[in-house]
Amino acid sequence: QPVLTQPPSSSASPGESARLTCTLPSDINVGRYNIYWYQQKPGSPPRYLLSYYSDSDKGQGSGVPSRFSGSKDASANSGILLISGLQSEDEADYYCLIWSTNAWVFGGGTKLTVL
Amino acid sequence: EVQLVESGGGWVQPGRSLRLSCAASGFTFDDYAMHWVRQAPGKGLEWVSGINWNSGTIAYVDSVKGRFTISRDNAKNSLYLQMNSLRAEDMALYYCAKGYSSSLGYGYMDAWGKGTTVTVSS
Repeated sequence: QPVLTQPPSSSASPGESARLTCTLPSDINVGRYNIYWYQQKPGSPPRYLLSYYSDSDKGQGSGVPSRFSGSKDASANSGILLISGLQSEDEADYYCLIWSTNAWVFGGGTKLTVL
Repeated sequence: EVQLVESGGGWVQPGRSLRLSCAASGFTFDDYAMHWVRQAPGKGLEWVSGINWNSGTIAYVDSVKGRFTISRDNAKNSLYLQMNSLRAEDMALYYCAKGYSSSLGYGYMDAWGKGTTVTVSS
């Protein structure tokens, strides 16, 4: 089962944007995968945010603000979660998820700090 | 409203067994795949196992293959995880999660319980 690499931490100030990455191993092509993103706050289960396959094939979780968006960077073989207009409530852990070789695989997670 | 309530967690010695249960309500249980996801203390999420709507497709993370068995009883709206030969590294909060579709590999986990804690220690 593949390993999805996420930076352990990231930080940004309120009102700024945060770009969180999820890098797939070089032997699997990010272009072939739906990337799902979750937010988790301390003491709570994960919350589904969105999915991204392409600009024409993406989904937004119920009640998730449009300032959360997904994309891909093919050159980096990465999925991207972009959070614009950061708010203090966005401080949380963020996980990516894919389905690969008959298993679901989570990334290691990124702790986002809103300074 | 979708509700998933896990139970069966507790303290167990290494090598012993434990059976987790998840009681589902608020949706048509046998229309959806179901999953177990765990989170070790202070660590990230790890998908453990999933089962499609009719138990025809089942999958596990490599680290639990041969030790854990997932099952479901659609008549009882319940999901189970039989965990044998438990190890210290299995210690975690175990979440029950509802799949987005009936298929194991299509869609994501769109609803989660609050979890049940498994402690493995001598």
